[in-house]
Amino acid sequence: GQQLNQSPQSMFIQEGEDVSMNCTSSSIFNTWLWYKQDPGEGPVLLIALYKAGELTSNGRLTAQFGITRKDSFLNISASIPSDVGIYFCAGQLSGAGSYQLTFGKGTKLSVIP
Amino acid sequence: NAGVMQNPRHLVRRRGQEARLRCSPMKGHSHVYWYRQLPEEGLKFMVYLQKENIIDESGMPKERFSAEFPKEGPSILRIQQVVRGDSAAYFCASSPPAGGGQNTGELFFGEGSRLTVL
Repeated sequence: GQQLNQSPQSMFIQEGEDVSMNCTSSSIFNTWLWYKQDPGEGPVLLIALYKAGELTSNGRLTAQFGITRKDSFLNISASIPSDVGIYFCAGQLSGAGSYQLTFGKGTKLSVIP
Repeated sequence: NAGVMQNPRHLVRRRGQEARLRCSPMKGHSHVYWYRQLPEEGLKFMVYLQKENIIDESGMPKERFSAEFPKEGPSILRIQQVVRGDSAAYFCASSPPAGGGQNTGELFFGEGSRLTVL
């Protein structure tokens, strides 16, 4: 089945720093999504990307859908303590089975005040 | 709060017992999905249901696992004769009816049910 490689696995940053994480796949996805999961909670959608090359922002978050449709990145600017959590990328195919999301293993972000 | 509601939040079972996890989707949502998350892993798709119909159960083990979404009441994920390897967090998500027949992938997740098998 499809696999998403997400990196880095974890990162420790100082408050105020910018963060970048990415996701790559051997398969082409029609949609890329980024979710955040806080401890003991369910994932919450941050950004959804629908077109190759698309660059979308949500506050301090910016994500891009790679031109090849096999990768995406997420940037967080000026990190704050509440950015702590696990960030998951997810890809969705088109056609049959298009309702299934394939998730990466996550990037665990720690912010040092 | 009209979010996705899951219960129980935590469930402990001994090997061989049955586990039943319930999920009420967001108001107005008719599509329900179940995902499983092992520690330090991403979520893995299990099953997709609409009211009274299983649309895709390709991610669900063939034995011991079943899911339903009846006309009335919550969706149920049932695990019979649980084994230690079933210990995981089970997340339910819902989405509104797809516009133009295309699902956007934008899912609303519940807080999960954490199953521990002793």
